[in-house]
Amino acid sequence: GESVGLHLPTLSVQEGDNSIINCAYSNSASDYFIWYKQESGKGPQFIIDIRSNMDKRQGQRVTVLLNKTVKHLSLQIAATQPGDSAVYFCAETGGGSNYKLTFGKGTLLTVNP
Amino acid sequence: DTEVTQTPKHLVMGMTNKKSLKCEQHMGHRAMYWYKQKAKKPPELMFVYSYEKLSINESVPSRFSPECPNSSLLNLHLHALQPEDSALYLCASSQVPGQGRDGELFFGEGSRLTVL
Repeated sequence: GESVGLHLPTLSVQEGDNSIINCAYSNSASDYFIWYKQESGKGPQFIIDIRSNMDKRQGQRVTVLLNKTVKHLSLQIAATQPGDSAVYFCAETGGGSNYKLTFGKGTLLTVNP
Repeated sequence: DTEVTQTPKHLVMGMTNKKSLKCEQHMGHRAMYWYKQKAKKPPELMFVYSYEKLSINESVPSRFSPECPNSSLLNLHLHALQPEDSALYLCASSQVPGQGRDGELFFGEGSRLTVL
C-alpha cells in the first residue's frame, strides 16, 4: 500500500496465516518486477520476480500476482513464519538496457507467534 | 560465491573528514550500484557503473565521489558531508541488463554512516 509521511505501512499476522502485501506502481513502461525482503540491519534480499508478460508466478511459499491494468503487484506468503518478519519492498524497472530499479515504499510485516 | 561484501559496516565521521566506503563482489557481474537508504524509507539509487564506467549519476552532490577501479570493486569516497547524509549506504551488483536475468540486484549488508 501507499504510505503517508514517515510511516511505513504495516501488516501484522499470526504465525501460520497467509499474508498478502500489496504494491502500486505508476510507470506503464515497467516490464520487470521484483519483491525484496529486508530484515533489520541487513541489505535487501531477492524473493521472487515476474515479467510483464505474466500475471502470476509461484515460488516456495510465495506467489506474486501482477495486474497491469491497474498497475498493481501483490506478494502472497503462505503459512507465514516468524522468520518472515521484515520490511518487504516491491521494485520495478523498464527492462532492456534500463539499469534503474525503482523501489516502492515498503511494508513492515510482523508475524506474531 | 553470491556475496556482495561492504566495508566498513559502521562509520562515524565529522563534516571535515574524508573517508571511503568499499564494496566487492566476485560473481562476475559487470554492473555495480550505490544506493542510499534512510530509516523507514526505500533504497534510492545514487550511481550505476557498467563495465567499470559511470553510466548513471542521479544528481548526487559532488561530496559523494564514486570510483570503480576494476570489475570486482566499487568505492564511494566521502568528503565534507552533512549530518543529513547519515544513512545506510548499500552496494549492489547485477548482470548487465539484457544479458541475463534482467534487473535482479544482489545487495550487500550496507555501511551505516553517521555524520556528526
